[in-house]
Amino acid sequence: AQSVTQLDSQVPVFEEAPVELRCNYSSSVSVYLFWYVQYPNQGLQLLLKYLSGSTLVKGINGFEAEFNKSQTSFHLRKPSVHISDTAEYFCAVSENKAAGNKLTFGGGTRVLVKP
Amino acid sequence: ETGVTQTPRHLVMGMTNKKSLKCEQHLGHNAMYWYKQSAKKPLELMFVYNFKEQTENNSVPSRFSPECPNSSHLFLHLHTLQPEDSALYLCASSQDGRESNEQFFGPGTRLTVL
Repeated sequence: AQSVTQLDSQVPVFEEAPVELRCNYSSSVSVYLFWYVQYPNQGLQLLLKYLSGSTLVKGINGFEAEFNKSQTSFHLRKPSVHISDTAEYFCAVSENKAAGNKLTFGGGTRVLVKP
Repeated sequence: ETGVTQTPRHLVMGMTNKKSLKCEQHLGHNAMYWYKQSAKKPLELMFVYNFKEQTENNSVPSRFSPECPNSSHLFLHLHTLQPEDSALYLCASSQDGRESNEQFFGPGTRLTVL
């Protein structure tokens, strides 16, 4: 069984400051990794995903994440946040298999960007 | 319409009511999902349908009854709910068998049970 831990439930950050959201996972097989963002009163939107290849993944809105297999981590970063980045961010994992993949989500990290 | 749509966006119902949530995906996917998102709890997978067949039921109470008449539509029928069932219900779809199984989400239905 797979699991995902997001260590920070809330992260306050000032506008134009960098932010890092931590995500650790556990799985007995190789995985795909995702970060989703949820803006207020909306569904989840994919920010970026790691499938294979380069461990540094770039996503939308200036976000990037780095897959670290030895530390089983997939931390999300943005060098300079905007007020509009205020949202909840979810890390998710699915097992690398041909079909029947399921996503397992972390508990979410709420980012509040302050002016 | 594009992507995944859900109706209604908001629903208030009494504990004795019967209502249904609707989800429609316009992406040609073959798998659809219902999730429950409660305050301060992780996203909970409720049901999974692949090619209209239910492949997962995560111990969901029988007062929630899913229906998938075709691969584009998914319903969640609700009856005799409890106040703790108040939550955001999210629908998602994906193309099962495609690498990564990326899921696309609808905007959700905010359900309040009085």
